[in-house]
Amino acid sequence: SAVISQKPSRDICQRGTSLTIQCQVDSQVTMMFWYRQQPGQSLTLIATANQGSEATYESGFVIDKFPISRPNLTFSTLTVSNMSPEDSSIYLCSAEGQGDREAFFGQGTRLTVV
Amino acid sequence: AQSVTQLGSHVSVSEGALVLLRCNYSSSVPPYLFWYVQYPNQGLQLLLKYTSAATLVKGINGFEAEFKKSETSFHLTKPSAHMSDAAEYFCAVITMNTGFQKLVFGTGTRLLVSP
Repeated sequence: SAVISQKPSRDICQRGTSLTIQCQVDSQVTMMFWYRQQPGQSLTLIATANQGSEATYESGFVIDKFPISRPNLTFSTLTVSNMSPEDSSIYLCSAEGQGDREAFFGQGTRLTVV
Repeated sequence: AQSVTQLGSHVSVSEGALVLLRCNYSSSVPPYLFWYVQYPNQGLQLLLKYTSAATLVKGINGFEAEFKKSETSFHLTKPSAHMSDAAEYFCAVITMNTGFQKLVFGTGTRLLVSP
């Protein structure tokens, strides 16, 4: 299994600003994923981050709005840029376990944009 | 592409009663299926997974799920609900997209447990 630490756990931000969320895994993983969970909704995949290459974004999500870094096999960041109240959500980091097709999740970042 | 459908956004049971949360999948290939639980203000925790081995899968906290190909279902059950089971439950399936495997989640079912 993998333990994922995500921070900040929550934040309240002003519209027009940016927030960077950090995700640290306690073991090396190939694939990391970033999800958005809007209030009362399910999880929607934002992008897949593979170490050493640019992230692959899902339909409806763009790099300018959600830039992602993946500098090594244990760390990734997601930035929510030029925030608006519609960006208020929980953002979750996930990593795929080695060979068992099991995904592990961080505790999430609860973002409120005012 | 693979997908899952969860029937019922809310399920209410009494403590000690049977828990049944429904999930149906759509897949053209043998699926990998998962149930996750999300407690308030928490991330997701894996309850159990089906990876084409035994059709009856036992998970943590007394939960189990049975893979039924004929019904394209993977319902989650627990014989006796506990107050601590109150949470949001998500069914998920692995799908391939742009060369990567990714999890696709159902819409979730909130389990309410009353004394």
